[in-house]
Amino acid sequence: EIVLTQSPATLSLSPGERATLSCRASQSVSSYLAWYQQKPGQAPRLLIYDASKRATGIPARFSGSGSGTDFTLTISGLEPEDFAVYYCQQRSNWPGTFGGGTKVDIK
Amino acid sequence: QVHLVQSGAEVKKPGSSVKVSCTASGNPFSSFAIHWVRQAPGQGLEWVGTIIPVFKTTNYEQRFQGRVTITADESTTTAYMELSSLTSDDTAMYYCASGACGGAPCSSPYGWFDPWGPGTLVTVSS
Repeated sequence: EIVLTQSPATLSLSPGERATLSCRASQSVSSYLAWYQQKPGQAPRLLIYDASKRATGIPARFSGSGSGTDFTLTISGLEPEDFAVYYCQQRSNWPGTFGGGTKVDIK
Repeated sequence: QVHLVQSGAEVKKPGSSVKVSCTASGNPFSSFAIHWVRQAPGQGLEWVGTIIPVFKTTNYEQRFQGRVTITADESTTTAYMELSSLTSDDTAMYYCASGACGGAPCSSPYGWFDPWGPGTLVTVSS
């Protein structure tokens, strides 16, 4: 089973700042990686798929990069509604697995 | 765009079973897979299993094998996830999600999860 390790566990930033979240896979997942956002009391929402493609309706301030084992989600300027938990997920090998999440909270 | 509606919260006794439903609309039911994911209180996301209604095939996370059954009724465009032999460790929010590839619904088991249903809280308590 492929293990995804997200870092940091918590990221404390102010609105307008740039957020950089990391997801590292225990073995290559090529570009089969997605990022989800989850706000308190809500279901997760797909942000990025295939490592770098924005899902429908996702603002351009969200971008994904990476391939193989190292991936990054960047939020170019945090809006108040972006403070949430972010999960990465791989679908390269069965079963698809999730990372443990990074919480982005307000500094 | 697929829209998913889930059944209401459940409270179950240890050792019993629970069956959660997920009703889809907006796209032909045969065009996408349905995935089930759970989230224990304060914890991360855990994939439970997947059904592809058009092929009637299922895949389950190994740790749930023998306890989980996922089915789909095309006539009502509803998928079901039944979990048996419940323990307190099964207390969680259970989500269904439709499969998506390249931004469109797809029936591949390797699709992404988009969109998600609102979740069904299952509480196991004596």
